[in-house]
Amino acid sequence: QQQVKQSPQSLIVQKGGISIINCAYENTAFDYFPWYQQFPGKGPALLIAIRPDVSEKKEGRFTISFNKSAKQFSLHIMDSQPGDSATYFCAASITSGTYKYIFGTGTRLKVLA
Amino acid sequence: DSGVTQTPKHLITATGQRVTLRCSPRSGDLSVYWYQQSLDQGLQFLIQYYNGEERAKGNILERFSAQQFPDLHSELNLSSLELGDSALYFCASSAHPKDYGYTFGSGTRLTVV
Repeated sequence: QQQVKQSPQSLIVQKGGISIINCAYENTAFDYFPWYQQFPGKGPALLIAIRPDVSEKKEGRFTISFNKSAKQFSLHIMDSQPGDSATYFCAASITSGTYKYIFGTGTRLKVLA
Repeated sequence: DSGVTQTPKHLITATGQRVTLRCSPRSGDLSVYWYQQSLDQGLQFLIQYYNGEERAKGNILERFSAQQFPDLHSELNLSSLELGDSALYFCASSAHPKDYGYTFGSGTRLTVV
């Protein structure tokens, strides 16, 4: 019940295309859902996050869509660029608890020029 | 530079040995988290400290221990090392446990041979 399932494991997108990464969770106590971006040799960096009281959050080319009833959330990267090539992790947390994150297994995105 | 400093960046050691990984959080951050990232397990939460006190434990082996010092830096001690302990170890920090989007360091890559 503590797992966060992420798909796909890898993704190849043409420059200018839309990249979509999906995550699903079971524990309805999760109430904070961040996405992290990790480049090789670097630590994960917070990209965007959402709380379950909203269905969508947009920051620049990055959008989180949240479906509370389906217990799913997804990251959309619009107008994907080669510089977006990285590994993306979704995560979930219970903010009234320890604030530890349960991470998905990651999606390796490659954007072709 | 995220402001979270981890040393050393790379560590190669033999099975059975003991190592210490060090983390200096961002200035002003009181909370420190340790995560282990391996190829087949993704990012796994190990332990959290807040202002010197342990706040939460994850899947941390008994051979591993950590502490946070009065100057807020933290150390993760790994002993009786096994080949399977080879992984990236990340430290993250936040000002307070209620600051949901915490910041990761660049990690320490541990190789046990």
